[in-house]
Parts: sequence; structure tokens; C-alpha cells
Amino acid sequence: QQQVKQSPQSLIVQKGGISIINCAYENTAFDYFPWYQQFPGKGPALLIAIRPDVSEKKEGRFTISFNKSAKQFSLHIMDSQPGDSATYFCAAREKSSGDKLTFGTGTRLAVRP
Amino acid sequence: EAQVTQNPRYLITVTGKKLTVTCSQNMNHEYMSWYRQDPGLGLRQIYYSMNVEVTDKGDVPEGYKVSRKEKRNFPLILESPSPNQTSLYFCASRDPDSGPGTQYFGPGTRLLVL
Repeated sequence: QQQVKQSPQSLIVQKGGISIINCAYENTAFDYFPWYQQFPGKGPALLIAIRPDVSEKKEGRFTISFNKSAKQFSLHIMDSQPGDSATYFCAAREKSSGDKLTFGTGTRLAVRP
Repeated sequence: EAQVTQNPRYLITVTGKKLTVTCSQNMNHEYMSWYRQDPGLGLRQIYYSMNVEVTDKGDVPEGYKVSRKEKRNFPLILESPSPNQTSLYFCASRDPDSGPGTQYFGPGTRLLVL
């Protein structure tokens, strides 16, 4: 059972457009929600993260929107660039579980020039 | 250079032949983890360790063993590999004082079990 559901599975966006990736969760004990970016042949790298007491966090062109009541969070990539083409994973951490992260299934983003 | 290294990067083996994938980090991180990545399933945590001699099961620990005898090393052991353990494996480490998502991932080990 997937505890963190991610959509879409793949996404094609034109250069300059907005990429939006969504995640939903059920476990209300999750207390930390990071997003990772993974390029082919590489390990994932932390992109941006949010805690549930904040509704939005922005870092450069990347923004996380968090809706605690709906148990959803999303990644927005503004002014998408071909260099953003990668696989993106959302994740969630339950504090009582120690260092255990639960990942979404990933979204493969392709930004067309 | 701060990094997590894994060896080997690619491995083809046969069912039942014990193997070890090594993981080493040079950042003096206390926390280390192992993940497997499979298409359509994302990354799933196998085991994690919050300190030397302290290990805990992740979501998919069956068929795997780990040990943490030194801070820098966290090997993953497959005592009797099976074809369903064919996957891409990542080791990761982090400083406990940094955010829980601030994990440094290794380059991955692609394993094929025949």
C-alpha cells in the first residue's frame, strides 16, 4: 500500500511553463515533507522541504504548496527549463519512526526547448 | 570532497550466491540508510542506522542484512539473493542535526540476480 501517492507519473512541459507535481498522504503523523530531484545515473538530491505548520515554501523557481486539511502537497516549478528535466520524488517522514522516509513513486519531467 | 561511495556500481550474480554491497561516507554522519529503487514503486527504505551498532528495519527489510561496526561504513548484505532483489540500490547518509530530508545519496548500485 502506497502511503504517499504521487501524480502524474510523467509530465511534459514547454520551456518557460509551469510544472506541477502532486502528492497525497493518509498518515497524519507525517511531520516533514521533502522533495528530491534525480538525474539519470545519479542518486536523488534534496530539492526543497516543508513542515506542516507552513502552507508554502519558495526557493528560487521551486515552490512547495502544502494543504494540511486535504493532506496534499505539491511542487511547482516556475519558468521550467530543459535542465529541470529529471525524475522528482516527494517523500514524508513520521517523526516517531526515527529516520524512515516514505517516498512517492516518482514523476518523470521532460521540459521541451 | 564530501561524498557517499558505493561498490560495486554494477553487479550481475546468480540466485543464492551471497554478496555484499559496500557503502562509505566521509562526512562523519551518524545516520545512514539503504534504499532500493524500482520502476513504478519509487524508493523504498530497506534498513537504516542512527549510530554505530544501532540498526532498524525500513519498509522492505526481508532478504537483507546490514551491519554498522564503524561510523563511516554501512554494508548491505544479501545472504541468498533472489531474482526479486534485482534493483537499483542507494546508500544515503545525513547529519542528525540537519533536516530529516537532508540525505546525501550515493551513486547507486545496479544489481541483476539471475
